[in-house]
Amino acid sequence: DAMVIQNPRYQVTQFGKPVTLSCSQTLNHNVMYWYQQKSSQAPKLLFHYYDKDFNNEADTPDNFQSRRPNTSFCFLDIRSPGLGDAAMYLCATSRGSDMNTEAFFGQGTRLTVV
Amino acid sequence: AQSVTQLGSHVSVSEGALVLLRCNYSSSVPPYLFWYVQYPNQGLQLLLKYTTGATLVKGINGFEAEFKKSETSFHLTKPSAHMSDAAEYFCAVSPYTGGFKTIFGAGTRLFVKA
Repeated sequence: DAMVIQNPRYQVTQFGKPVTLSCSQTLNHNVMYWYQQKSSQAPKLLFHYYDKDFNNEADTPDNFQSRRPNTSFCFLDIRSPGLGDAAMYLCATSRGSDMNTEAFFGQGTRLTVV
Repeated sequence: AQSVTQLGSHVSVSEGALVLLRCNYSSSVPPYLFWYVQYPNQGLQLLLKYTTGATLVKGINGFEAEFKKSETSFHLTKPSAHMSDAAEYFCAVSPYTGGFKTIFGAGTRLFVKA
């Protein structure tokens, strides 16, 4: 009964080779987030969607893009992965109509860049 | 601006001992406060949250936290540690007045000794 599903769990990509991480949700939540978490650090918000509205964090590199074709799916595209992009990528959702709702996280995708 | 400070990147307790993980926040508006737990190679799972009302909040797995506005604190406690509590714990804050940017603390790794 997983509610936020990330695929794959582990992804290995080559330096500079575009890679896409996917996230799907069964919660019908308005808001979907992508976080980057490096080893022993807090998750860092990259961007979020409120419905179709895309909100990029000011310090998110241009190398990172996102797509949300419908309510259920959201993708993270890394156009030219560098070694510094190796991290755990977490997708999360929340109910946009309720400000105090918590975020529901997927299990994450661990990205390795070789 | 909002921020979260978790005191102690690592905390070690014996099984059966009290768990105390410290969190202080800074917020110019009334905050929503959360504690999340993360097991190795997993996403984040909500332990508990404070929105409004009762300042002592009970969560899952026997954890609780108390919101103390005068001390700007939201410390997490559990009376008796279990081996299965060993994980990374994140305190987080989000703005009461809206917006979807949850700010996470740097995390505290809890070790439980037999």
